[in-house]
Parts: sequence; C-alpha cells; structure tokens
Amino acid sequence: AQSVTQLGSHVSVSEGALVLLRCNYSSSVPPYLFWYVQYPNQGLQLLLKYTSAATLVKGINGFEAEFKKSETSFHLTKPSAHMSDAAEYFCAVRDRGSTLGRLYFGRGTQLTVWP
Amino acid sequence: SQTIHQWPATLVQPVGSPLSLECTVEGTSNPNLYWYRQAAGRGLQLLFYSVGIGQISSEVPQNLSASRPQDRQFILSSKKLLLSDSGFYLCAWITGPTSNTEAFFGQGTRLTVV
Repeated sequence: AQSVTQLGSHVSVSEGALVLLRCNYSSSVPPYLFWYVQYPNQGLQLLLKYTSAATLVKGINGFEAEFKKSETSFHLTKPSAHMSDAAEYFCAVRDRGSTLGRLYFGRGTQLTVWP
Repeated sequence: SQTIHQWPATLVQPVGSPLSLECTVEGTSNPNLYWYRQAAGRGLQLLFYSVGIGQISSEVPQNLSASRPQDRQFILSSKKLLLSDSGFYLCAWITGPTSNTEAFFGQGTRLTVV
C-alpha cells in the first residue's frame, strides 16, 4: 500500500516569506500526486496535480510543486505567503492505472501566516 | 456539471444515538465513491469505498457502516455512536484511472458526539 509522509504538522511563516511544505511518497513506481487545501469546516480544494511528464506543476493561488523521482518527493512552494494562505494542506497520491482510484493522504500540514 | 453534495454540515449527537450521513453525486453514472474521516489532529482516514450499487468495501473495523442504495447515493451510518466517532467526515468521488483523474469532495460533516 502507498504511504505519504508530510514532514511537519505545523509550519509558520511571515507574510511575504517563502512557503515550503514537504511531501514524500513510498512507491517505486511514481504515482499521480496531488496537493489539496482545506479551510476550516470545508471540503478539500485541489491546488495542483502531477500526472504527466512535466515535473514542475503550477497550481492555483500562486502555488507550485516539483516532482523529484530520485527523492520520491513532491514539495509544495509559494514564493510569497499571503494571510489568506493560512489553512491545512494535504498531499495525496494515487496509483497509476488503478481503476479503483483510491487516494492516499498524508497527515496534513497546518500553515500559519503571521502579519 | 459534476457536483457532489453532502449533508448535514454539522451534527451534535449523544452517545448511543444513530447516525446517517448522506452523499449524492450529479453529472455522472456509476461513480467510485469514498467516505473519509478526519479526526482532530490527524490526517484523512479512508473508511469505506464503493464501486457500484450494493458494493461496499471497508478499510478499517469500526462502529460505522456504509450503504450504496442507488447509483449516485452513498450513505454512512451507525446504530450507536461512540465518543470516538467524533470528527470531520468527507465524501469523495474520484474519477478515472488515467492522467485525467480528478477527485471531488463534499463540503464535509462536522460530527460531535457528546
């Protein structure tokens, strides 16, 4: 079974600072990779996904993530944090070719942005 | 258009009472549907998934059950709630085995068992 590791359950940055949220996956075959954001008491919103050859993926709200096969990583970054970025972020993976489509989630990282 | 509805949004129930959470999908047929739970300070745990009417797979033994009475309806139930059932429950619809895979999530249900 897949496993997803998000290093750091809480990350705090100042407004305008770089945001870096880490995600590593376990499978030897690169899966499909996703980052989701969750605001309090809401469902998950897709930020970006990696499903093809382009290793640098750009998403919504200025976020991007880079797939690094050698490091089995898919870290999420944003050059300049905004107060509205404060939320919980989840990394998720899905096995390629799986008809079931199950998503395996990391434990989440709570991002706090200080003024 | 493709949408997923989940209700209720919040629920406060006493220990020992029953539970029924409903999820419905629009804009597709025969979707793969999932129930996830997010407990305080923890990630998303898959509870059940269903690939068709009457087909339910359970990921973890627990006090909950799920049913798929109609193609686009997925229900999470309990006969007697426990305190440990408190959490945030999310219904999800995940599409396709290809690179066009997408996941749609309901707005979630905040369940507090008191």
